[in-house]
Amino acid sequence: AQSVAQPEDQVNVAEGNPLTVKCTYSVSGNPYLFWYVQYPNRGLQFLLKYITGDNLVKGSYGFEAEFNKSQTSFHLKKPSALVSDSALYFCAVRDQNTNAGKSTFGDGTTLTVKP
Amino acid sequence: NAGVMQNPRHLVRRRGQEARLRCSPMKGHSHVYWYRQLPEEGLKFMVYLQKENIIDESGMPKERFSAEFPKEGPSILRIQQVVRGDSAAYFCASDRAGELFFGEGSRLTVL
Repeated sequence: AQSVAQPEDQVNVAEGNPLTVKCTYSVSGNPYLFWYVQYPNRGLQFLLKYITGDNLVKGSYGFEAEFNKSQTSFHLKKPSALVSDSALYFCAVRDQNTNAGKSTFGDGTTLTVKP
Repeated sequence: NAGVMQNPRHLVRRRGQEARLRCSPMKGHSHVYWYRQLPEEGLKFMVYLQKENIIDESGMPKERFSAEFPKEGPSILRIQQVVRGDSAAYFCASDRAGELFFGEGSRLTVL
């Protein structure tokens, strides 16, 4: 079984400040972890993934995420937020034996960056 | 969005009518996944299809919903006798190197 939790429905930050969007997961095997972003009335876009290797993963648009095995977390971060980062963010997880299409998605966190 | 095409983008149906949503995967791909996104929720897997085969339909509701992916043409998600609870965004995706590439979605509104 696999599951993912995004404990915050909403995150508000001021432009230029660092942002963190939280994600914790549960999976029976080795985790494959993903972050996707969704802009209004659009599909999901891939941001970054962790499969193996360095715990700090860098992705699109200056985002990064840190894999923490002991805390089963994969928080999304950005050092300096932009207003254009405002969107809905989804964390997703699967194990190495699960088909990509059967990843489990969190319920999403709405990020609002204010000027 | 990496070539996954969905139509229509918006669809309005009255209760009891049928809804047909279409999806063409990325070029060269012969499989699609369908998901449903209810308001304020994440994506829920519905069905995984390859050309002329349903591989996994474990997320499909037992009644009124069906999906196909014919040898020629797009994949179709069909919802018969729609009810208000079917109002949602329906996405399809295909994957490459373990990453999912999504279409823009079809937003169904049931009046």
